Amino acid sequence: DAGVTQSPTHLIKTRGQQVTLRCSPKSGHDTVSWYQQALGQGPQFIFQYYEEEERQRGNFPDRFSGHQFPNYSSELNVNALLLGDSALYLCASSWVSETQYFGPGTRLLVL
Amino acid sequence: SQKIEQNSEALNIQEGKTATLTCNYTNYSPAYLQWYRQDPGRGPVFLLLIRENEKEKRKERLKVTFDTTLKQSLFHITASQPADSATYLCALSTDSSYKLIFGSGTRLLVRP
Repeated sequence: DAGVTQSPTHLIKTRGQQVTLRCSPKSGHDTVSWYQQALGQGPQFIFQYYEEEERQRGNFPDRFSGHQFPNYSSELNVNALLLGDSALYLCASSWVSETQYFGPGTRLLVL
Repeated sequence: SQKIEQNSEALNIQEGKTATLTCNYTNYSPAYLQWYRQDPGRGPVFLLLIRENEKEKRKERLKVTFDTTLKQSLFHITASQPADSATYLCALSTDSSYKLIFGSGTRLLVRP
């Protein structure tokens, strides 16, 4: 049973560019959440998708957007990248239960 | 203001001892609290969940307590091993929200 998968594992971009990160949830899960984790900090909630709709959003600007597909996979898009967007981006999936299962993350470096 | 705090200093203990990590929160009414383990450069791995009406939860060498009066959760690892060395994150969620709110984590180092 595959767990949560994310792609790519690493990414280097320059300021002003746009990036798309991808996530496939654990089998049987229908809800996907995205988190940003800066070095030495805990993950910060970006948003959650359920039934292809954004169900809840954290305190992130509109440059951060997402999408959920009918197969429950999800994308996170970040426009107009800033140096401060450099972080580990984590996807977590869940179903009914409160527990969220995390993927390995995508390490984004903005130069 | 709302805060969830974990000891930012690393916890350094001898193999075989019990490690105790603390998570304190203010101005939240959590429905439940979770503990995760995170290794460098990896995603958090779920360990245990405890609900507001539960005092204690156990799983193998792990134990979590939840005191809503003190607004604190304690996470214990008994008979610690060097393989337990990692960062441990606590996260809470409230009834009115789907998101997890994380502390900044405590790094545990178990010396052989």
